[in-house]
Amino acid sequence: DVKVTQSSRYLVKRTGEKVFLECVQDMDHENMFWYRQDPGLGLRLIYFSYDVKMKEKGDIPEGYSVSREKKERFSLILESASTNQTSMYLCASSLRKTGNTEAFFGQGTRLTVV
Amino acid sequence: AQSVTQPDIHITVSEGASLELRCNYSYGATPYLFWYVQSPGQGLQLLLKYFSGDTLVQGIKGFEAEFKRSQSSFNLRKPSVHWSDAAEYFCAVGARGGSYIPTFGRGTSLIVHP
Repeated sequence: DVKVTQSSRYLVKRTGEKVFLECVQDMDHENMFWYRQDPGLGLRLIYFSYDVKMKEKGDIPEGYSVSREKKERFSLILESASTNQTSMYLCASSLRKTGNTEAFFGQGTRLTVV
Repeated sequence: AQSVTQPDIHITVSEGASLELRCNYSYGATPYLFWYVQSPGQGLQLLLKYFSGDTLVQGIKGFEAEFKRSQSSFNLRKPSVHWSDAAEYFCAVGARGGSYIPTFGRGTSLIVHP
């Protein structure tokens, strides 16, 4: 089974801190994604990556950056955390660059910024 | 660009009752279609998918969905709901020959009464 692992289930950070959310997948998938999930808004794409060192902005990239130095790992970085970044963050991966590819999700990281 | 509409934010059913969750998509051609389920505090898990062929597809946990081209719909059904089905359900589309990034609906929260 494909496994997507997010390093933390819960995080509490202070305003202004630099925050790293880590995601690792174990099935050699090409694509990796970071979403944020808020009540009533569904999943919103922050960034995605289709290859090592390649990244593309999603719908809401402001305040975030990403890093993909190895194929299996995709990190989301909050440069200076703010309270409006309190949310559930979901990492996902998929095998191919085609639309008929299932996405596999991690268990999510619930981030609270105080 | 493709889009997905899940018109119901919340659905409440009694245990043992039948269930139908609605999903409508907007896309120039027949997209690839998916339903995912998210249990509380968890990531998303694939329930079923439609790519081509038989328009009635079977998934895990006793769920099925029917693709109706004329209505641009891909509704999820279950004949008898169990309390453990209480979760958030997301419909998603993948593009043919275009972007490989799935587009998600905003989700429908299923509440099951005993």
